[in-house]
Amino acid sequence: GNSVTQMEGPVTLSEEAFLTINCTYTATGYPSLFWYVQYPGEGLQLLLKATKADDKGSNKGFEATYRKETTSFHLEKGSVQVSDSAVYFCALSDYGNNRLAFGKGNQVVVIP
Amino acid sequence: DTAVSQTPKYLVTQMGNDKSIKCEQNLGHDTMYWYKQDSKKFLKIMFSYNNKELIINETVPNRFSPKSPDKAHLNLHINSLELGDSAVYFCASSHRSGGDGELFFGEGSRLTVL
Repeated sequence: GNSVTQMEGPVTLSEEAFLTINCTYTATGYPSLFWYVQYPGEGLQLLLKATKADDKGSNKGFEATYRKETTSFHLEKGSVQVSDSAVYFCALSDYGNNRLAFGKGNQVVVIP
Repeated sequence: DTAVSQTPKYLVTQMGNDKSIKCEQNLGHDTMYWYKQDSKKFLKIMFSYNNKELIINETVPNRFSPKSPDKAHLNLHINSLELGDSAVYFCASSHRSGGDGELFFGEGSRLTVL
């Protein structure tokens, strides 16, 4: 089945710093790719998505580009805020198994 | 108006007890899911129903039994609770199965087994 791999470990950075969270995937066919965000005490919510190669998803200052050649969908934000502190999950469609496949998530902590 | 609502939000119980978590969605979606999130935030799918039909049944102890009385509801019953069942359980729904649609999650039900 399809799967995603996220970089290990939490990410701690200062306000206004540049954020990158790496995500690579393994898939057959042409999956859709997603980033979900989980704020403290809440459920996951969709942050952005891309459905085909070279598509760029964007929302709330976050961006990710579907790179088929490197099988990646890295999440970036140019200037983070304290309110961006959350857990970020990369995911892709896994049609063969009828589900979204989620990565392990990355805790992001932004300090003032 | 909450889209995916689950109750209870918190549940503390003793080992060996039986408990249920309820989920309802008012989005008109056809597919509903149960996920388990452990203390490291790892998210694992447990079950999925499409129009009341079970379509995903992961390797989950048979102490866990989902029930979908209609496509707007998916409940989770857990028998003989164990310490390792402590986790946050999330209900979610989507317009269709297959993984190409957005999932809408509830706020989670934190289960603590003592």
